[in-house]
Amino acid sequence: DADVTQTPRNRITKTGKRIMLECSQTKGHDRMYWYRQDPGLGLRLIYYSFDVKDINKGEISDGYSVSRQAQAKFSLSLESAIPNQTALYFCATSDLGQGEGNEQFFGPGTRLTVL
Amino acid sequence: GQNIDQPTEMTATEGAIVQINCTYQTSGFNGLFWYQQHAGEAPTFLSYNVLDGLEEKGRFSSFLSRSKGYSYLLLKELQMKDSASYLCAVPQTGANNLFFGTGTRLTVIP
Repeated sequence: DADVTQTPRNRITKTGKRIMLECSQTKGHDRMYWYRQDPGLGLRLIYYSFDVKDINKGEISDGYSVSRQAQAKFSLSLESAIPNQTALYFCATSDLGQGEGNEQFFGPGTRLTVL
Repeated sequence: GQNIDQPTEMTATEGAIVQINCTYQTSGFNGLFWYQQHAGEAPTFLSYNVLDGLEEKGRFSSFLSRSKGYSYLLLKELQMKDSASYLCAVPQTGANNLFFGTGTRLTVIP
């Protein structure tokens, strides 16, 4: 089984709809992240959480919200989706105690299309 | 803040050697990462350099020069499966997040 899973893997929705993307991990890591990836722009950080009681905004948090329901679960919500939120979304985890610095482990991604 | 520059695209021949460069600007340097990402898939960790010099891992090696703000990823004996994007990343200043470059898309041709 994959260590970091995301659901759904693909989603098509309409402008104005509320969407939730879910991420679960079995790695036992405290730190979780949400990124979006757009062609030519690379990976950009939306939100991150260092433990269940900690939520932090990233580079591009406007239009998004998150919930850390448990150590293993971190959800990303688009309250009112707009077309420029069409992108590939990745969840990632890390454990600062790892020897390789703060290596991040990524989920398989969710491809979101907003019409 | 941070800034990372990488070439957008590169092409190399199967069996050859290719070097992918990365220059970065960051305050409070705390290591540099390379990730590989096949099209439509998740990035996967390749290497981490925190000290100057060359780190070798099989066909892949990564080099760092902190004084020059420069790193490169060296891929030897290229295989078709090495066609992917290669992402250079540095930790965000004062945080445990990664700032990613836009990546270099490598195409390996027969």
